Amino acid sequence: GAVVSQHPSRVICKSGTSVKIECRSLDFQATTMFWYRQFPKQSLMLMATSNEGSKATYEQGVEKDKFLINHASLTLSTLTVTSAHPEDSSFYICSARDQMGQGNEQYFGPGTRLTVT
Amino acid sequence: QQQVKQSPQSLIVQKGGISIINCAYENTAFDYFPWYQQFPGKGPALLIAIRPDVSEKKEGRFTISFNKSAKQFSLHIMDSQPGDSATYFCAASKNTGRRALTFGSGTRLQVQP
Repeated sequence: GAVVSQHPSRVICKSGTSVKIECRSLDFQATTMFWYRQFPKQSLMLMATSNEGSKATYEQGVEKDKFLINHASLTLSTLTVTSAHPEDSSFYICSARDQMGQGNEQYFGPGTRLTVT
Repeated sequence: QQQVKQSPQSLIVQKGGISIINCAYENTAFDYFPWYQQFPGKGPALLIAIRPDVSEKKEGRFTISFNKSAKQFSLHIMDSQPGDSATYFCAASKNTGRRALTFGSGTRLQVQP
């Protein structure tokens, strides 16, 4: 149980285009999902908190108009990187919180490697 | 985000040995402390987690020790195996509100055969 999927796993796009990344909780419901980015050999940096049915909460320094988040259902959140530039190249990872868990169990997806050329 | 400090940055252990990774936190409102294991190119996997009402939790070869007064917690990997070679992250969060995880900087563990 507690499986989170991400799609695509890897994407290469040209500068100026937009890329959508999907995050799904496969066997549990998640009112809250989180989006992170991770640079090589570094820790995870929280970008935003995605709440089902309401607006996402962005961390300081994260441009909400560039990183669009939609959480349309209890099992799906999407991150759209708009007008991508090479500096947006990174490993993007989502996590989903099991709302039925006793603690704050958060399960991560396998990540999406974005390369902007 | 409040900081969670993790050490060491890297660790080399012989097969069968004990791997110990330490974390310290500042925010006394944190009350959930998980450890994650991450292999290259993969997402982190939840290993084990502890709440502050207990001082130790064991699951298989993995043990968390928690010292509330010192605001420190550690991960012990007993009988370390080459397959345990990965990066380990500690994290902390409140169990109310947004419940966003604050991560440590990570420890790269290498278990030599």
